[in-house]
Amino acid sequence: GESVGLHLPTLSVQEGDNSIINCAYSNSASDYFIWYKQESGKGPQFIIDIRSNMDKRQGQRVTVLLNKTVKHLSLQIAATQPGDSAVYFCAEKYSSASKIIFGSGTRLSIRP
Amino acid sequence: EAGVAQSPRYKIIEKRQSVAFWCNPISGHATLYWYQQILGQGPKLLIQFQNNGVVDDSQLPKDRFSAERLKGVDSTLKIQPAKLEDSAVYLCASTLRGNELPNTEAFFGQGTRLTVV
Repeated sequence: GESVGLHLPTLSVQEGDNSIINCAYSNSASDYFIWYKQESGKGPQFIIDIRSNMDKRQGQRVTVLLNKTVKHLSLQIAATQPGDSAVYFCAEKYSSASKIIFGSGTRLSIRP
Repeated sequence: EAGVAQSPRYKIIEKRQSVAFWCNPISGHATLYWYQQILGQGPKLLIQFQNNGVVDDSQLPKDRFSAERLKGVDSTLKIQPAKLEDSAVYLCASTLRGNELPNTEAFFGQGTRLTVV
């Protein structure tokens, strides 16, 4: 069935360290993957996306890696800051439809 | 650029009552989504509009939920009658276009937090 899941519900990292948030997806037909950040009381905010014909994409302090062989997606945040505290969702989008399917989220907390 | 506007921010109603939520997407955005986000879960798509037409409402509980986007701009989502399990945050999002890839990012509003007691 359609599902996008996450390995860990919570992640705690030291400020300044790198964070890695993982995600597994089940639909090999998905063509587009997106990471969202959701802070308390706010709607999800787009971070970065990647097409299925790519295996890596970099943004400002963030990198998304896609491994289609094992249907795995990860978000790497460099030099994690207190402002990075939030819930992170991976999401997928199919080539034949435009709806965005969200996973259940990982809460990232930063230790001072 | 103004973001996606939603109102109200909070709503508390008793079960079996009716409630309506309003969304004003970003100007020029053709695609509008309504999502339901239950506490601790990811958003679940309820309905997607392309201009004023419904693209996907497969997960909308049509016996009690309805949505419209009559002029292809603002949208309303209604629940009648509400149940306890409808307690959630209702998020509206919009994108410039929806059925093409690469897609532009979806912009979300702050949501309406509904509590049914």
